[in-house]
Amino acid sequence: RKEVEQDPGPFNVPEGATVAFNCTYSNSASQSFFWYRQDCRKEPKLLMSVYSSGNEDGRFTAQLNRASQYISLLIRDSKLSDSATYLCVVNGDPYGNKLVFGAGTILRVKS
Amino acid sequence: DTEVTQTPKHLVMGMTNKKSLKCEQHMGHRAMYWYKQKAKKPPELMFVYSYEKLSINESVPSRFSPECPNSSLLNLHLHALQPEDSALYLCASSHSGRARDEQFFGPGTRLTVL
Repeated sequence: RKEVEQDPGPFNVPEGATVAFNCTYSNSASQSFFWYRQDCRKEPKLLMSVYSSGNEDGRFTAQLNRASQYISLLIRDSKLSDSATYLCVVNGDPYGNKLVFGAGTILRVKS
Repeated sequence: DTEVTQTPKHLVMGMTNKKSLKCEQHMGHRAMYWYKQKAKKPPELMFVYSYEKLSINESVPSRFSPECPNSSLLNLHLHALQPEDSALYLCASSHSGRARDEQFFGPGTRLTVL
């Protein structure tokens, strides 16, 4: 079993749609969780950290369920510029910073 | 300013060459990282430096040799690479290397080994 698993995608959605990505992780000792986005041939950029209480940043909402070892990302009112690969990232080291990336989910927003 | 810079942007080298990748950050971060990313795959951690000391080596072959001259610089020395080492090499930094720190990535060096 992979340490971080994501929906395979790609997700093809029209502008204005709401889209949700899911992710599960296997290491119950994981302490911190993130969503990154990566555009084609660019570096990953931090989208948001994910907290147990859930957090929202504009059109983006992230949720964490520690009991189910499940992370989600909701994007409302999708824009063309949201087209990218979304990477679910988990830090599996409780004492250090050792990120493990999911394989990523491709989002394509079309007009 | 969350900026990590990497040079060169592109590098083509033969299997007998020796080259170095460079990474720099001026955010006062004390942890720096090297990742390797193959096409259509996620980044994979190679090395972690925390307070200028190597803290994690993910069983990387010795033809890759990291160096951290000071807290803002990170190098990756390359020698006798193989064609399968062709990839995007990403550098990242974080505040202190603690579990909840966010990592910020540089633009990467795209390496081709002939």
